[in-house]
Amino acid sequence: IQLTQSPSSLSASVGDRVTITCRASQVIGSYLAWYQQKPGKAPNLLIYDASTLHSGVPSRFSGSGSGTDFTLTISSLQPEDFATYHCQHLNSYFLTFGGGTKVEIK
Amino acid sequence: QMQLVESGGGVVQPGRSLRLSCAASGFTFSRSAMHWVRQAPGKGLEWVAVIAYDGVNIYYAESVKGRFTISRDNSKNTLYLQMNNLRTEDTAVYYCARISKEYLAAVPLDCWGQGTLVSVSS
Repeated sequence: IQLTQSPSSLSASVGDRVTITCRASQVIGSYLAWYQQKPGKAPNLLIYDASTLHSGVPSRFSGSGSGTDFTLTISSLQPEDFATYHCQHLNSYFLTFGGGTKVEIK
Repeated sequence: QMQLVESGGGVVQPGRSLRLSCAASGFTFSRSAMHWVRQAPGKGLEWVAVIAYDGVNIYYAESVKGRFTISRDNSKNTLYLQMNNLRTEDTAVYYCARISKEYLAAVPLDCWGQGTLVSVSS
């Protein structure tokens, strides 16, 4: 299964609403997670099962979708949200990740 | 709190070997399946291997199968990745990560180490 994220990068301002999409090459139900990665750091889990917010993650982050099309939305971009976001197909093994979306400051 | 700390990375020539370690603390290591994930410089994340809690069920990405070996020592709370016959394309930051299940399961990677850099170059 291949995951295609779009866009690969975007520029936005603090307070903007940001949407990132992830498209799977096959139907994967709701088996999708989103991670945030800051430069030089490990990824951190944001959302799993397509829409469940991981413990401690701010409520401005939300996920939606099922089947092949998924979205990550940041309702009001904060300075600490500038990072790269990765989607991942939740699987027992042969995990796959999207190519990443870099969110930069406009 | 849960913590994973990788070590063992470095610069190595093509064809040589390296062993990575991942020390776990803050959770019951023996009750968690563990993954290795790598990230080449400026690239996305690539899954490498997974091992169940008891070391019985193991899977590898095709790109490393036959060259890399994942293992664990639950008495030492440590995960390993033995990397043989290294290639330049293996150059990456290697992360260990856990899932909250003993067996291989379709659940997220909820704790990651800080990563260790492996550079394969002549």
